[in-house]
Amino acid sequence: GAGVSQSPSNKVTEKGKDVELRCDPISGHTALYWYRQSLGQGLEFLIYFQGNSAPDKSGLPSDRFSAERTGGSVSTLTIQRTQQEDSAVYLCASSLRQGVQPQHFGDGTRLSIL
Amino acid sequence: AQSVTQLDSQVPVFEEAPVELRCNYSSSVSVYLFWYVQYPNQGLQLLLKYLSGSTLVKGINGFEAEFNKSQTSFHLRKPSVHISDTAEYFCAVSDRGGDDKIIFGKGTRLHILP
Repeated sequence: GAGVSQSPSNKVTEKGKDVELRCDPISGHTALYWYRQSLGQGLEFLIYFQGNSAPDKSGLPSDRFSAERTGGSVSTLTIQRTQQEDSAVYLCASSLRQGVQPQHFGDGTRLSIL
Repeated sequence: AQSVTQLDSQVPVFEEAPVELRCNYSSSVSVYLFWYVQYPNQGLQLLLKYLSGSTLVKGINGFEAEFNKSQTSFHLRKPSVHISDTAEYFCAVSDRGGDDKIIFGKGTRLHILP
């Protein structure tokens, strides 16, 4: 596709359930980023991938959060045993390489935990 | 660690009036600077970027920003705003030669008044 694609666009789930969010980056982009956007909090960096490896996982809020990337393409962000504070918009971005190139963002997944 | 401060969480301005959205960053090392715009229910779009060269950077939709190293600022300006400029604006910074992680500010919501 032409841009970064995220699915689902909206997800409502009960507290305690696991959720999986998907990001399909722009073809050929080696760097992939996950951010969390909460109301009034701006963008909180979660993790980034260079290829399939994640050099920086420092932003993951807890061990309930994990992410993987396979084939240097699609990435999934998994949240286990969801809590209400996990409710946010999760944004994915990709770039040709980390840092210099501008990041291209998907439209995000709006996650609501009941 | 690098940080970005957007002093105004919300800026109301009348249509056709000029606007300035302020951004300051913390580090004195060489940086790359970005402004992104987020329209409702969408991801972020790159508005403009400063990598090197002229300190006055022109972006899309008539926006421009000026890099001021001594004041560690990168304020965004537009001489005459339109109702379609209603959005949230994020300033971001990345250290040159560092881990290339991009750090975002908390955003400034621009309200255009008729």
